[in-house]
Amino acid sequence: EVQLVESGGGLVQPGGSLRLSCAASGFTFSSYEMTWVRQAPGKGLEWVSYISSSGRTIYYADSVKGRFTISRDNAKNSLYLQMNSLRAEDTAVYYCTRDQILTGYDLFDYWGQGTLVTVSS
Amino acid sequence: DIQLTQSPSFLSASVGDRVTITCRASQGISSYLVWFQQKPGKAPKLLIYAASTLQSGVPSRFSGSGSGTEFTLTISSLQPEDFATYYCQQVNSYAFTFGPGTKVDIK
Repeated sequence: EVQLVESGGGLVQPGGSLRLSCAASGFTFSSYEMTWVRQAPGKGLEWVSYISSSGRTIYYADSVKGRFTISRDNAKNSLYLQMNSLRAEDTAVYYCTRDQILTGYDLFDYWGQGTLVTVSS
Repeated sequence: DIQLTQSPSFLSASVGDRVTITCRASQGISSYLVWFQQKPGKAPKLLIYAASTLQSGVPSRFSGSGSGTEFTLTISSLQPEDFATYYCQQVNSYAFTFGPGTKVDIK
């Protein structure tokens, strides 16, 4: 069974840092691209960052570029999101998702339960 | 970045109704569109990818159509478990933006 379990969320002051982790199991993690998506309280979904299966290709949303860093450790079946210079508007539930590619189309077929990040003084 | 709009943003419907949600892209995205369903407190669930391909395990009352800039998600006969918020997402080019969502509520 595919499982994605996020951890590392919590309360942090503006300007602070936090590192999210996503532990993957039930599939060959090193073969899949991965993505972080967030959702502010009561708001819609926002794509945050992507990393290729090898880790060599990375993309970020403009809203987090220069502040967030995505990475992965395929030996540990884990995905990470290092978040620096946090702002109130980064407050959200952060989901890790598996990016499956079928017949050339990306689809996010498995999601974690999410971890809440609250940026507040 | 490619922008997506959805209409309506909210709709009230009854069990058994046929429901249609529209998603429009700010530029052509071929068939690179995905639909998700999300219930309160839960992660999104993949319904349709490649604009019209039903994800495994999703009931056949859900269907998707469209290409280019205009897409639709149709629920042929609304069931009690379908009351949720629906999001489209373009996967044509990064950033993979989402639409603002359509909340389907009970009339």
